[in-house]
Amino acid sequence: SAVISQKPSRDICQRGTSLTIQCQVDSQVTMMFWYRQQPGQSLTLIATANQGSEATYESGFVIDKFPISRPNLTFSTLTVSNLSPEDSSIYLCSVHLRPVEGYEQYFGPGTRLTVT
Amino acid sequence: GENVEQHPSTLSVQEGDSAVIKCTYSDSASNYFPWYKQELGKRPQLIIDIRSNVGEKKDQRIAVTLNKTAKHFSLHITETQPEDSAVYFCAASKDNYGQNFVFGPGTRLSVLP
Repeated sequence: SAVISQKPSRDICQRGTSLTIQCQVDSQVTMMFWYRQQPGQSLTLIATANQGSEATYESGFVIDKFPISRPNLTFSTLTVSNLSPEDSSIYLCSVHLRPVEGYEQYFGPGTRLTVT
Repeated sequence: GENVEQHPSTLSVQEGDSAVIKCTYSDSASNYFPWYKQELGKRPQLIIDIRSNVGEKKDQRIAVTLNKTAKHFSLHITETQPEDSAVYFCAASKDNYGQNFVFGPGTRLSVLP
């Protein structure tokens, strides 16, 4: 597995501001992912972040709202811009590790965002 | 694209009984099926997975079965304990290229003492 950390663990932000979430992994990984988990809901993929290329966004998520950086193979940031109460959610980064065959996905501890 | 359904959405069992959660998927190309356990306020944790070249996998009290023909897979927990109480998510993936996993909606399991 991998040790994945996120900062901040939680934050309360005002409407119209932005929050940048950091994700750090203890090993080099090619693919990093950002998910949103709304209260009581499943995990929804926001985007895939590969080092050295533009992030790939899923339907319903756009770069202007969720800009992502991936400066190296162990770090990524997700910014949630122009916050509204609907953005209140848990944001999780995840990585794929490759054991003997296929891929396994592991998650960071999450960042709980509350927008007031 | 892939669609994963999961049933039941909530499940209550008495301690010591078995629990079964079922998932169906739509994309016949999917070949990797992990299960995650998420305790309240915690991150999802991988608990068991199965690949399409096997029909069943077991790890202590947890087992997963896969029926590729019917496109469904199930999580079986035997001798349930209160610490098994959590939300369980299934997922499906075409994992040859590390593509993202599609998650089911989750099952909230409560193990009653």
